[in-house]
Amino acid sequence: KAGVTQTPRYLIKTRGQQVTLSCSPISGHRSVSWYQQTPGQGLQFLFEYFSETQRNKGNFPGRFSGRQFSNSRSEMNVSTLELGDSALYLCASSLGTGPVSYEQYFGPGTRLTVT
Amino acid sequence: KNEVEQSPQNLTAQEGEFITINCSYSVGISALHWLQQHPGGGIVSLFMLSSGKKKHGRLIATINIQEKHSSLHITASHPRDSAVYICAVRDNSGGSNYKLTFGKGTLLTVNP
Repeated sequence: KAGVTQTPRYLIKTRGQQVTLSCSPISGHRSVSWYQQTPGQGLQFLFEYFSETQRNKGNFPGRFSGRQFSNSRSEMNVSTLELGDSALYLCASSLGTGPVSYEQYFGPGTRLTVT
Repeated sequence: KNEVEQSPQNLTAQEGEFITINCSYSVGISALHWLQQHPGGGIVSLFMLSSGKKKHGRLIATINIQEKHSSLHITASHPRDSAVYICAVRDNSGGSNYKLTFGKGTLLTVNP
């Protein structure tokens, strides 16, 4: 099976712009989670989608949003970019969600640099 | 105080040594994950456990739910084990808002 793929792998944007990142999960996986990783804060949970619905959300401002399509592919969008949004954005897919924990399969990440 | 604390932050070992990385957490969890991240960013899930002990090759993970503590052990360490090891817990203390909360990671360097 192909792994989790993320596009683009690298991105440079200017403050104030917006950006859309894409994640294709492993075939058959219906849950996609997004994470932000920075040197200062480490890994932080952004949100999780399952069956096209946002199921869980982390403590990030409304500038961060996402969606999931019927084929389980997911996109996240960041509007009005700030310098502090520079980070590695990782997505992970899993079979399901809810109180039972499922193994997470991570993509290679998108490295976003905001100048 | 972070909900997930790892120790040590940095660890340098000689090839062949036995390695232990510790993780303590303060929230209710449904499972604990150990992740490995090599330079360049890729993250691999090593273990997911909710009780007891799991073993995969030279890696062993244990968890004590009552003490809210987990350990990752590497036997006969090798330079290819050099990576950042991250502990993450699936937090179920917030009602239906299940999310992974991560430790800051342990940077392991194994010298030949």
